[in-house]
Amino acid sequence: DAGVTQSPTHLIKTRGQQVTLRCSPKSGHDTVSWYQQALGQGPQFIFQYYEEEERQRGNFPDRFSGHQFPNYSSELNVNALLLGDSALYLCASSLQLQETQYFGPGTRLLVL
Amino acid sequence: AQSVTQLGSHVSVSEGALVLLRCNYSSSVPPYLFWYVQYPNQGLQLLLKYTSAATLVKGINGFEAEFKKSETSFHLTKPSAHMRDAAEYFCAVSVEYTGNQFYFGTGTSLTVIP
Repeated sequence: DAGVTQSPTHLIKTRGQQVTLRCSPKSGHDTVSWYQQALGQGPQFIFQYYEEEERQRGNFPDRFSGHQFPNYSSELNVNALLLGDSALYLCASSLQLQETQYFGPGTRLLVL
Repeated sequence: AQSVTQLGSHVSVSEGALVLLRCNYSSSVPPYLFWYVQYPNQGLQLLLKYTSAATLVKGINGFEAEFKKSETSFHLTKPSAHMRDAAEYFCAVSVEYTGNQFYFGTGTSLTVIP
């Protein structure tokens, strides 16, 4: 049973660039949520996708956008990168917006 | 709005001693509550969850937590700490009407002293 997978594992970008992170949900899951975890902090909710639509959004600027594909995988895009965007980005999946979420290993983004 | 407070950003216990990690939540509606563990350079692993069934919840690796509505608490315990329990622990709350998005605490780093 495949768990949540994310790619790439690590990424280095410079300020102003754009980045795309990818997530494949746990087998059988159809809901994907994205979280940003800054160093030494708890994860912060970015947004959630279900049925290829953004269902919920946290307090993040429009530079953060996403997409969900028909196979339920998802992308997180961040434009005009800032130094403060450096963080671990976690993807979590669940079934039909249900409460239990399973997390992937994360993508560590460093913005220089 | 929902929120979580984890008292004690760092907790140290001796191997074999009781582990107690504190979590208090705020929610205007009945919540779902979770504990996750994070090992260095890894994602979050679900330890246990409360979803309005039994108030005493047993999880993996010998951990358990008790939901106390009157105290708005969901403290995590383990009778006897093991070296492998050293990690970061996060408490999270979610509610159905917000699509079950998680609100996490700031985490508690557990150190186990041999």
